[in-house]
Amino acid sequence: SAVISQKPSRDICQRGTSLTIQCQVDSQVTMMFWYRQQPGQSLTLIATANQGSEATYESGFVIDKFPISRPNLTFSTLTVSNMSPEDSSIYLCSVLQGPYEQYFGPGTRLTVT
Amino acid sequence: LAKTTQPISMDSYEGQEVNITCSHNNIATNDYITWYQQFPSQGPRFIIQGYKTKVTNEVASLFIPADRKSSTLSLPRVSLSDTAVYYCLVGYTNAGKSTFGDGTTLTVKP
Repeated sequence: SAVISQKPSRDICQRGTSLTIQCQVDSQVTMMFWYRQQPGQSLTLIATANQGSEATYESGFVIDKFPISRPNLTFSTLTVSNMSPEDSSIYLCSVLQGPYEQYFGPGTRLTVT
Repeated sequence: LAKTTQPISMDSYEGQEVNITCSHNNIATNDYITWYQQFPSQGPRFIIQGYKTKVTNEVASLFIPADRKSSTLSLPRVSLSDTAVYYCLVGYTNAGKSTFGDGTTLTVKP
């Protein structure tokens, strides 16, 4: 299974600022995903990031708010822009190995004050 | 996307077998059924996946009836460390779609 790391593991940010979260995988993968998980809630898919193409965003999420980069097959970033307290959440990246198995990173816990 | 329905919570005792059932009435032909486990402050961990009938690995079994409208995750002889949230997913992940339901919080008591 893929080993996934995320940076930072947690951060406290002021409203109106932006935070970029990094996701590094120890092997090359085609499909990467970014999720948000609010406290006590399930995971919500933000977008799918494939190398070499624009990220595909789910309903309710837009590129201006959550720009994603995918420069190569082992790395991706998610930026949370112009943050508000409602953006306080855990952000997780995951990768697809095989046709159906996803592996998740440890998550980035974001608090916006 | 197929919507899944699971019990919100379950309690069990150490050493018991636990069965968590997930309903997915609108499952599509291409969809697989996957179960994940999540501990607090960690990302979900893949447990088991299947398409039909029964699948078994070193940690769990997955039972899927012929109509595939439900599935049951079976955890044999649970321990305190199995206390976690368990998610059932139905979808064709390769197409970039993977929707998590609300999950089942399993609490194992001594």
